[in-house]
Amino acid sequence: AQSVAQPEDQVNVAEGNPLTVKCTYSVSGNPYLFWYVQYPNRGLQFLLKYITGDNLVKGSYGFEAEFNKSQTSFHLKKPSALVSDSALYFCAVRDMGRRALTFGSGTRLQVQP
Amino acid sequence: EAGVAQSPRYKIIEKRQSVAFWCNPISGHATLYWYQQILGQGPKLLIQFQNNGVVDDSQLPKDRFSAERLKGVDSTLKIQPAKLEDSAVYLCASSLEGQGVNEQYFGPGTRLTVT
Repeated sequence: AQSVAQPEDQVNVAEGNPLTVKCTYSVSGNPYLFWYVQYPNRGLQFLLKYITGDNLVKGSYGFEAEFNKSQTSFHLKKPSALVSDSALYFCAVRDMGRRALTFGSGTRLQVQP
Repeated sequence: EAGVAQSPRYKIIEKRQSVAFWCNPISGHATLYWYQQILGQGPKLLIQFQNNGVVDDSQLPKDRFSAERLKGVDSTLKIQPAKLEDSAVYLCASSLEGQGVNEQYFGPGTRLTVT
């Protein structure tokens, strides 16, 4: 069975500093990995995905993620955080057979001015 | 392009009552998903449709939950009878499946409170 772990319930960072939100996964075969963001009272918004190829994936709003196969990780990063980035972030995985996503428990990002 | 539409946005019912949620996916999206998101957790798949056929309903509590997608477009998720533990946000998502791996687009969700 596939699974996702987001080890941090909350990440605090000052505006302008780099941010990292961690994600590790477990799946049989090659993974497809996703990051979504959720703002209050709104649905999940797609940020980026890794399918194959370059291990550094660039996405929306200046976010990027680094795929590391040996560490089974897919950490979300941004060089300079904005207060408006404060939200709930979810990592998700699907294997090649299923199309449905398995989500982590989410990490709340707080960017302080 | 219009996003995934869901209604109602909020619903409060008493336990043992029934409730239904509606979802209209993005036009042309063949695959539709219903997820349950309990407070403090990530979304969990309830059921997945490909056109009007069920692909995966392994995590759907079939004694009380049912879903249909008539004509392969809109979908309805029903709970009957509701339990306290059904309090959650119910998210509908759709994706354009074909060649490649496509992301899912989510609606705003329906927040259900069972008292």
